Amino acid sequence: GESVGLHLPTLSVQEGDNSIINCAYSNSASDYFIWYKQESGKGPQFIIDIRSNMDKRQGQRVTVLLNKTVKHLSLQIAATQPGDSAVYFCAENVGGGSNYKLTFGKGTLLTVNP
Amino acid sequence: NAGVTQTPKFQVLKTGQSMTLQCAQDMNHEYMSWYRQDPGMGLRLIHYSVGAGITDQGEVPNGYNVSRSTTEDFPLRLLSAAPSQTSVYFCASSRRWSQYNSPLHFGNGTRLTVT
Repeated sequence: GESVGLHLPTLSVQEGDNSIINCAYSNSASDYFIWYKQESGKGPQFIIDIRSNMDKRQGQRVTVLLNKTVKHLSLQIAATQPGDSAVYFCAENVGGGSNYKLTFGKGTLLTVNP
Repeated sequence: NAGVTQTPKFQVLKTGQSMTLQCAQDMNHEYMSWYRQDPGMGLRLIHYSVGAGITDQGEVPNGYNVSRSTTEDFPLRLLSAAPSQTSVYFCASSRRWSQYNSPLHFGNGTRLTVT
């Protein structure tokens, strides 16, 4: 089955609220995780990444949390805006950090209501 | 920089026809790759290249060929199209094949329908 998956396939939030998108992974050897955003009709766009030796990493309005104990990854978006509406993918890397070793999740659709 | 450019944006083929999906990047990236995206599934790697003259198979290579004669271009060839190849195809590149501090940059995709 999927080694990377998402708890919620869809998420609807109000503009200005914080959003949390979750991702579960099953491979304890995964050492690198990435979040991508995909807007309708476009290719995925890199948001933020985190290595397995970290628990938390912050970017501009986004935070990624990694809980290796329960193999869980989350993406938090602060003050969600309509432009954040998109599908969000998590991806994991097993074995050496090569771009050809990435496994992508199916994605969560985030809808931001004005 | 234009980034990663894919052509065409849309294509309809009949079963058995062949075609080439074009991908070009102007960032002097070492690594290039092709993915397909199907409903309900994550992106799946078709073929990749770690540099000019070097290509290798990904997870789902059957029915596709690639070549990398220049750093900039990485075309994907469908030899004899089948309905199972109906999908959205994404080309992606990165500065190096190593992922750390070298994230993938994706094109905007080619939507292919095979009837």
